[in-house]
Amino acid sequence: AQSVTQPDIHITVSEGASLELRCNYSYGATPYLFWYVQSPGQGLQLLLKYFSGDTLVQGIKGFEAEFKRSQSSFNLRKPSVHWSDAAEYFCAVGGSGTYKYIFGTGTRLKVLA
Amino acid sequence: DGGITQSPKYLFRKEGQNVTLSCEQNLNHDAMYWYRQDPGQGLRLIYYSQIVNDFQKGDIAEGYSVSREKKESFPLTVTSAQKNPTAFYLCASSIDLSPDTQYFGPGTRLTVL
Repeated sequence: AQSVTQPDIHITVSEGASLELRCNYSYGATPYLFWYVQSPGQGLQLLLKYFSGDTLVQGIKGFEAEFKRSQSSFNLRKPSVHWSDAAEYFCAVGGSGTYKYIFGTGTRLKVLA
Repeated sequence: DGGITQSPKYLFRKEGQNVTLSCEQNLNHDAMYWYRQDPGQGLRLIYYSQIVNDFQKGDIAEGYSVSREKKESFPLTVTSAQKNPTAFYLCASSIDLSPDTQYFGPGTRLTVL
């Protein structure tokens, strides 16, 4: 079955600390992978995406993610978190020949001053 | 600026009433989507449309209806048949029906009283 797992429902980090949000997927075809961020009561904004090529992907707001096929993972990282990064983060997977995204259940990030 | 607009931002409905959520995009995208978001869950696809006058059911279409009379517009009607309509509704669009990036609107929060 196709699925996306974000094992951490909530994560709390101090401002300036590093961050890693986990995403594991199960997908039968070559995956197209996405990370979106959602502020409370708002829509989703694309942070970064991976379709092919270099497995380390750079995104907006200083985020990056690494695709590891052997681990079926696409973890999101940021070296130094800012208070404005507090939001909910969603990982999603799609595939060639399909329109459909499968979304994870999200990880809510809290940043301590 | 190009983007997706959803209106209203907040909507209240009495049980037994139908209500229509608006979604407009000026990105010249062919494909449009409606998602439902509930706390602690990922986004679930309600309906999608690849071109004008064509739309398909997603994973949770029961109790919802859509139309696509114009490329820019994809309104969603929540009917009285939807048993638990209170949720956050997100509209999205993409260039075409592929796994390419979906762009999201700001959402409409529907509350049934």
